Formats: sequence, structure tokens, C-alpha cells
Amino acid sequence: GESVGLHLPTLSVQEGDNSIINCAYSNSASDYFIWYKQESGKGPQFIIDIRSNMDKRQGQRVTVLLNKTVKHLSLQIAATQPGDSAVYFCAERGSNTGNQFYFGTGTSLTVIP
Amino acid sequence: NAGVTQTPKFRILKIGQSMTLQCAQDMNHNYMYWYRQDPGMGLKLIYYSVGAGITDKGEVPNGYNVSRSTTEDFPLRLELAAPSQTSVYFCASNWGQGSYEQYFGPGTRLTVT
Repeated sequence: GESVGLHLPTLSVQEGDNSIINCAYSNSASDYFIWYKQESGKGPQFIIDIRSNMDKRQGQRVTVLLNKTVKHLSLQIAATQPGDSAVYFCAERGSNTGNQFYFGTGTSLTVIP
Repeated sequence: NAGVTQTPKFRILKIGQSMTLQCAQDMNHNYMYWYRQDPGMGLKLIYYSVGAGITDKGEVPNGYNVSRSTTEDFPLRLELAAPSQTSVYFCASNWGQGSYEQYFGPGTRLTVT
């Protein structure tokens, strides 16, 4: 099966600092990646996505970077706010698995006021 | 729109009992999914459906069954519940066919004792 892993299970940052959450994936054929945010007691919520033909994609306060050479994905959150405290998951779509996505274990982000 | 709704929110089952987790979406999405999330872990795909009348197995289908008689509903059936099925279950949906962002329900927390 697929293997999507995260380098750090927990991350604490000061409010206003930038956060970087990392993700490693194993399937070099994966063609699409999504970052989700999951707040306590809720379902995951889409943050940003990126296709494998891109290296970088920016959203509002978030940037996703994709390094296909080392099969690494990162999510950067600018000016982290207390409301950003949550668990963040990366998910990869293997290009040969239709709409199946494989989720990483998750990184718990805590923002210190 | 209500989005993706799930019932019940919580349930305790005894070993060997059966139950159905309900999932409905009002976004006219073609694709629907069932995931389980064990404590401190990512989501694992149980079953998915690309349209009414079509279902397929995901990573961890054993012990579960699904049906998709309408576009809106995608119930998950547990037969002969086991303690290993204690988990939080999430239903999700999306358009599919190039639109991969999944919309998740709030989850059902199931305990089997």
C-alpha cells in the first residue's frame, strides 16, 4: 500500500511566527496532493492542493511546496494564529488509484499566544 | 446546504452486534467515501463509491459493507462488531473527475466493548 508519513508528530510555535509542516510520500507516481486541517472533534477541512506538475502553490497565508526529487511536501503557514492550532494531514493520490487518497499520520500544531 | 451529515454522533456497541452508520450529502456529489481514524493516526479508506449503484473496496474493507442506492446516501454497515472496529468514522464526498477536494462530515465515534 501507499506510505505517507510526517517528520514531526507535534509542533509548537509562537503566535505570529511562521509554521512549516513536513510530509514525506513514497509513491513517485502520485500526481496530486492535498493538505487538510482537522480541529478537535471535527472532520478534516481542505486547506490547499497541488498537482505534481507544480513546485509551489500559494493560498491565503498558506504555501505548499512540492519536491518530487526527494518525494517531500511541506505546508507553510504565515503569521500563525491561535485558530491555526489543529492537526494537519497531507494526503496523496496515487495516479493509478482513481479517487483513492492515502493520508499521513498528521502533525499536531499548537500556537502559543 | 447542510453539506455532509452523519448519524449517530456517538454509539457504543457490544461485541457481535450490528449497526449502520448513516451518511448523506446534499451537494449532488458523485463520489462518496468512508474512512476510519484510529487515535493519533491518519484516515484509512474503508469503501468508496463513484456513483449510485457502484461501490469499491478501499484499504481496510474487512468487517464492513456499503450500498449506494441514491446519489445522496452512502450507509456503512458493521456486521458482528469487534473491538478492533472502535474508531471514529468519517464520511466524505466530492465531485470526482478532476475535482478531488473532499468534504467531510463531523464523524461518528464508535466504541465496541
